[in-house]
Amino acid sequence: GQQLNQSPQSMFIQEGEDVSMNCTSSSIFNTWLWYKQDPGEGPVLLIALYKAGELTSNGRLTAQFGITRKDSFLNISASIPSDVGIYFCAGPLYNFNKFYFGSGTKLNVKP
Amino acid sequence: NAGVTQTPKFRILKIGQSMTLQCTQDMNHNYMYWYRQDPGMGLKLIYYSVGAGITDKGEVPNGYNVSRSTTEDFPLRLELAAPSQTSVYFCASSPYRDAADSPLHFGNGTRLTVT
Repeated sequence: GQQLNQSPQSMFIQEGEDVSMNCTSSSIFNTWLWYKQDPGEGPVLLIALYKAGELTSNGRLTAQFGITRKDSFLNISASIPSDVGIYFCAGPLYNFNKFYFGSGTKLNVKP
Repeated sequence: NAGVTQTPKFRILKIGQSMTLQCTQDMNHNYMYWYRQDPGMGLKLIYYSVGAGITDKGEVPNGYNVSRSTTEDFPLRLELAAPSQTSVYFCASSPYRDAADSPLHFGNGTRLTVT
């Protein structure tokens, strides 16, 4: 099946630090989605990207759709304790009936 | 607005037992999905449906069955539970085919343990 590779797998950072994570694929995606999952809950959409090269922000979060259409990046600036959770990249391949998810980046923020 | 509701939240099954995981959404979404999330892993698509009466297999359909008799409900059936089916199951829905207008809306999950 399709694989979306996320890195790093986990991160331990200090409150106030900036965070970067990325997602790569061997296939071309036309849409990239970034989700956050809080413990015990379902994933929630953070940012959606629709065009190669697109840079989109949502508060302290900024995501970019890679030029090759095979990667995407998520940055979080000035992290706070509530940023703790698992961040997933996702995208539809071939058709929008099937969304594939990466294995996630687990973020831990020390106050 | 309840969104996507899953029941039960937790369940423990013995090997060989069967059960149905319930999922209902009140947003009139056409598309519904079932994912499983194993510890430390991403979400794997089990089955999906593009509308009432239509279902199709995802990445990992073996051991599961689904039905979609109404727009609102998309139950997932496990006929002969196996330890490999221990996982957290998420139901999701979206309104349109174009992902630009239809991010997935997730329920809060059902944590299933098979012993």
